[in-house]
Amino acid sequence: ELKVEQNPLFLSMQEGKNYTIYCNYSTTSDRLYWYRQDPGKSLESLFVLLSNGAVKQEGRLMASLDTKARLSTLHITAAVHDLSATYFCAPGGSQGNLIFGKGTKLSVKP
Amino acid sequence: NAGVTQTPKFQVLKTGQSMTLQCAQDMNHEYMSWYRQDPGMGLRLIHYSVGAGITDQGEVPNGYNVSRSTTEDFPLRLLSAAPSQTSVYFCASSRTSLYEQYFGPGTRLTVT
Repeated sequence: ELKVEQNPLFLSMQEGKNYTIYCNYSTTSDRLYWYRQDPGKSLESLFVLLSNGAVKQEGRLMASLDTKARLSTLHITAAVHDLSATYFCAPGGSQGNLIFGKGTKLSVKP
Repeated sequence: NAGVTQTPKFQVLKTGQSMTLQCAQDMNHEYMSWYRQDPGMGLRLIHYSVGAGITDQGEVPNGYNVSRSTTEDFPLRLLSAAPSQTSVYFCASSRTSLYEQYFGPGTRLTVT
């Protein structure tokens, strides 16, 4: 059974700082997704990572995937308040579904 | 394109009542799924469908039924609501199971 662990679960950052969110998963998966969720809202797709060594960047966010280590990271560069949200990683499961971590609640303070 | 739509946005039920949560997508996606999200947890799969006429159970299917008579629609039925089913329900769709999933706006359900 595929299990997902995100670290940290809560992250309070100052604007302008860098930080990394880690996503470990327990068994092999051929794809991994990162989503963002604002309070009371739905999930917004950020990145789709499909191969070992994949790296994708959008603005201040960069995601990477190491399938051998079963690890994905979401790196935040020079955080701004607008990035405050909950971030979920989700490897693909055997049923075509996504197996979600508990999420990392990010709060960026001035 | 409207994307993935869900109705209603909010619903309050009494224990034992039944209801149907509606989900529709206009992207001609084959794969559709229902998740529930509880506080402090990620999303858990309830049921999914790989195409019209084909459905299967996910991680937490008890107390829920689904059907997929058309490509566009994937309703979720609560047979006899229980307080443990208080949650936010998200419907998602994707081209196939290997593509990114697009989520609907969610239905916030309270069972008293």
